[in-house]
Formats: sequence, structure tokens, C-alpha cells
Amino acid sequence: KQEVTQIPAALSVPEGENLVLNCSFTDSAIYNLQWFRQDPGKGLTSLLLIQSSQREQTSGRLNASLDKSSGRSTLYIAASQPGDSATYLCAVSNYGGSQGNLIFGKGTKLSVKP
Amino acid sequence: EPEVTQTPSHQVTQMGQEVILRCVPISNHLYFYWYRQILGQKVEFLVSFYNNEISEKSEIFDDQFSVERPDGSNFTLKIRSTKLEDSAMYFCASSEATGIIGELFFGEGSRLTVL
Repeated sequence: KQEVTQIPAALSVPEGENLVLNCSFTDSAIYNLQWFRQDPGKGLTSLLLIQSSQREQTSGRLNASLDKSSGRSTLYIAASQPGDSATYLCAVSNYGGSQGNLIFGKGTKLSVKP
Repeated sequence: EPEVTQTPSHQVTQMGQEVILRCVPISNHLYFYWYRQILGQKVEFLVSFYNNEISEKSEIFDDQFSVERPDGSNFTLKIRSTKLEDSAMYFCASSEATGIIGELFFGEGSRLTVL
């Protein structure tokens, strides 16, 4: 059974710092991995999708990497800003499933201090 | 930018009552989903829907739950007889495709409180 783990559970950094959020998954047979942002009491905003054949994706200050064989992904945030404060979730889509059945981690709660 | 919209944003109901949560997926999307998130816990898959039928459902999605696409735009989740443990945030999502390129887009959620 696929398990997704995110470390750390919470992270507090000063503004301007570069940071890395980690995601690991137990079964490497995935279609893709998606990173989301969730603000308190709000929905999930898709940040990046990495296909299983890709090694990384970039969007602005965000860069996500995927090492499928080791079951790991990282989300790198450059020059962090207070507006980046949110919970970051990663989710994998299992190979052989309905392909919309995402398995989520519990998230990393990021706080960026001005 | 196209988005998934959900109503109501918050619903309070008595145990045993029926609840319908509504969603309008992104217009050119073909695949629709419901997820839920109990406070402090992970987001969990409930059901996927394509071509007017359920593609997959989780163990959570028992006989008390049903989904429907009553017209060309709405996608609904019905809970027939709510229980206390159904209290959660329910998210609707949609995608244009599935598989390796299937990126899901989520709505803002409907918070259900069962008293």
C-alpha cells in the first residue's frame, strides 16, 4: 500500500532564505507526483506536476525534483517570502489505479518570518 | 483563469440528515473527483467519475455516499444519512486527462459540520 511521508512537519525560516521540503513514497510505480499549496481553511492550489519520466519541473521560484527509484521528491523554494507561508502537500498517482486517486502526505507547514 | 467552484462553503447539519455538496468542474475537463480532509488529517480520496459512471471508489465511499452529474456542468456528492464522523472538508477536483499527464485542480472546499 502506497504511503507518502513529508518531512519536516513544520518549518520556520526568515524571509529570503532558500529552503527544501521533502516528500518520500514507498511504491515507485507512480504516474506522477504533484505538489500543492494549502492556505488555512482553503482549497489546494496545484504548484507543480512531475511526470514519472521527468526528473524535475520549475515554476518561478519553485523547483521540484523526482527520484522515482528511491521514492523521493523535493520542493525547493528560492528566496522565500512571507506570502509563501502555507502548508505544502505532495501527492502521488499510483500506476494501475484510476489515475486520479492521489495519495497525499500530511504536509509541511511553512512559516516565513519577515 | 478557469477554476473549480464548490457550494456551499460551509454547511451545518444534524446527524441523520441528507446533505448534497455541489461542484462545477472546469468546463473542458472530463474527469471528476471528490476528496475529503478531516481536521488535522491527510487529504483522502473518495471517488473518481468519468463518462457518467464511477471509475474508482475508496473504502470510505460506502452506500451512504453517491455522486451524480445531473447536467452538463454540475457534479454532486450526496451523503444520505450523515454521521458525526462525516464532519470534514470535502474537496471537488477535476482533470482534463489522466495518467502521466493528469494534473488535478481542486476547488476551495465545502466544510461539513455534523452535530
